[in-house]
Amino acid sequence: AQTVTQSQPEMSVQEAETVTLSCTYDTSESDYYLFWYKQPPSRQMILVIRQEAYKQQNATENRFSVNFQKAAKSFSLKISDSQLGDAAMYFCALNTGKLIFGQGTTLQVKP
Amino acid sequence: DAMVIQNPRYQVTQFGKPVTLSCSQTLNHNVMYWYQQKSSQAPKLLFHYYDKDFNNEADTPDNFQSRRPNTSFCFLDIRSPGLGDAAMYLCATSRVSRTSGSSYEQYFGPGTRLTVT
Repeated sequence: AQTVTQSQPEMSVQEAETVTLSCTYDTSESDYYLFWYKQPPSRQMILVIRQEAYKQQNATENRFSVNFQKAAKSFSLKISDSQLGDAAMYFCALNTGKLIFGQGTTLQVKP
Repeated sequence: DAMVIQNPRYQVTQFGKPVTLSCSQTLNHNVMYWYQQKSSQAPKLLFHYYDKDFNNEADTPDNFQSRRPNTSFCFLDIRSPGLGDAAMYLCATSRVSRTSGSSYEQYFGPGTRLTVT
């Protein structure tokens, strides 16, 4: 069975600080994609960052970067210089043909 | 430049009264998905269309049906809504390679919030 686990239901960070959201997954597939999606309250789910499993280099998108540890099946998201607009629910997702979501982490950003 | 559009954004229906939610896309993606999302939970996949091929999830109630008349549009029909069907319904699209079968990221619409009275 393929699973995605986000062990932090809620996180908070001070504005301008750095925060890391954790995600672990399990799959027997060798070819897959991993994603972090952001869903602000009552707003659209948008893709934050993607990682192809065959790539060893960690993906980065501006202030967002991942730490992809394939052997450990870990895929954490680091948000640098946190902004108030980063407050949202963040979902880690595994794609092997079907998108498997984690339970989500609600991120609060304190001014 | 909206890519995945859902109408209406808010829908109120009565218990047992059929309702249809719509989704359209301008991305020309070959796969379209319908998810149900309840408050503070992850989206739950109901079904998806790979081109015209319909794929139902095993635990999707029979009460939920879908139609995809063309590449751009997909509809979610709830035949007899119950109070437990009140939720946000998300449409998403994706491109799946016909040669390799590789599936790429999904693009989500803004959702339709369904209220059942």
